[in-house]
Amino acid sequence: AQSVTQPDIHITVSEGASLELRCNYSYGATPYLFWYVQSPGQGLQLLLKYFSGDTLVQGIKGFEAEFKRSQSSFNLRKPSVHWSDAAEYFCAVGASYNWGSQGNLIFGKGTKLSVKP
Amino acid sequence: GAGVSQSPSNKVTEKGKDVELRCDPISGHTALYWYRQRLGQGLEFLIYFQGNSAPDKSGLPSDRFSAERTGESVSTLTIQRTQQEDSAVYLCASSYILGVTSGYTFGSGTRLTVV
Repeated sequence: AQSVTQPDIHITVSEGASLELRCNYSYGATPYLFWYVQSPGQGLQLLLKYFSGDTLVQGIKGFEAEFKRSQSSFNLRKPSVHWSDAAEYFCAVGASYNWGSQGNLIFGKGTKLSVKP
Repeated sequence: GAGVSQSPSNKVTEKGKDVELRCDPISGHTALYWYRQRLGQGLEFLIYFQGNSAPDKSGLPSDRFSAERTGESVSTLTIQRTQQEDSAVYLCASSYILGVTSGYTFGSGTRLTVV
């Protein structure tokens, strides 16, 4: 069965410091991978996604993520964190509907990011 | 509309009462998804619609939960005889076509509190 693990429940970084949020997935085929961000009281906003091709993907707000098949990982990075990045971040895995899945995403439990001034 | 709209944004209900949650997807989006987010947990998939049809209802937590969609537009998630464990944020998402590749747009959710 598909699953997503985000090992860090809560991370605190200083403003201007670099950030890496970890995500590991379990899936039998090549997955479709996503990172979403959720600000308090808001829905989820897509940061970036990986379907195929270049394993380093760029997203919005200066975020990037790297797909490493050998490690079953899709870690999210940002070189310099801004105070406005404080939010909860969710990694998700899905499959093409054409492969018989429901077309739904499986989410990790999230990592809450706090930013120190 | 421009985005996915959910109502109400907050709902407090007494245990045992029925509640109805509404989702207005983006116009033209044929697929619609419901998720539940309990405190400190990830998103739990509940059900999806392709058009007005929900082919698989196995993700619904119990038979107290039901969902429907009409006119390939508005969807309602109904919880009967609410229990305290139903307290959560219920999120709706829509996509142009069914499948993760078409991209989901999420609403802001309905926060349900059962007292």
